[in-house]
Amino acid sequence: DAGVIQSPRHEVTEMGQEVTLRCKPISGHNSLFWYRQTMMRGLELLIYFNNNVPIDDSGMPEDRFSAKMPNASFSTLKIQPSEPRDSAVYFCASSLQQTPTDTQYFGPGTRLTVL
Amino acid sequence: KQEVTQIPAALSVPEGENLVLNCSFTDSAIYNLQWFRQDPGKGLTSLLLIQSSQREQTSGRLNASLDKSSGRSTLYIAASQPGDSATYLCAAFMNSGYSTLTFGKGTMLLVSP
Repeated sequence: DAGVIQSPRHEVTEMGQEVTLRCKPISGHNSLFWYRQTMMRGLELLIYFNNNVPIDDSGMPEDRFSAKMPNASFSTLKIQPSEPRDSAVYFCASSLQQTPTDTQYFGPGTRLTVL
Repeated sequence: KQEVTQIPAALSVPEGENLVLNCSFTDSAIYNLQWFRQDPGKGLTSLLLIQSSQREQTSGRLNASLDKSSGRSTLYIAASQPGDSATYLCAAFMNSGYSTLTFGKGTMLLVSP
């Protein structure tokens, strides 16, 4: 398996623009997680899905952020409008199930820079 | 709310040295404690998972211990190598309802030849 795939790997955009990050989880995995990593706050969970259904989005910073999982093999994280403070590395991870013993497999991340 | 702290934030050691990375958590009601490795520009890779009922786990030169009562975990790396250079993160999985991992900010390790 190719592992978790994220695109794009790097994104530079201007404040106010819409940004869409994409993730393809490992085939057969039923749980998908979106994280954000910054120097100040470390790695934070934004939202996670079980069987394509959003379970907990309490980590989504504000209404400018939205996430969808239309099917088991694809998810998006959208920021509209983007702001400089959204600059971070965004990771997608997947696991077989959302249980404590199921290992989360991380993608390589998308480095977002908002000017 | 669970808080996970890692000390030191950065560590530089010569090759061959044994070292210990520290992780502390504020809420002892954890299900397990996990250690991850992150290489520059890459995602996280799971290294070790310790269940709350366990005291330690070993994988090769890595040994992780867990003391729930004191809210601490350590990652011991024996005979460090330059290839061990990376950021190491610990994460606690809470023992309640729909729960997920709470991560520390990591310790950046540099092993010099």
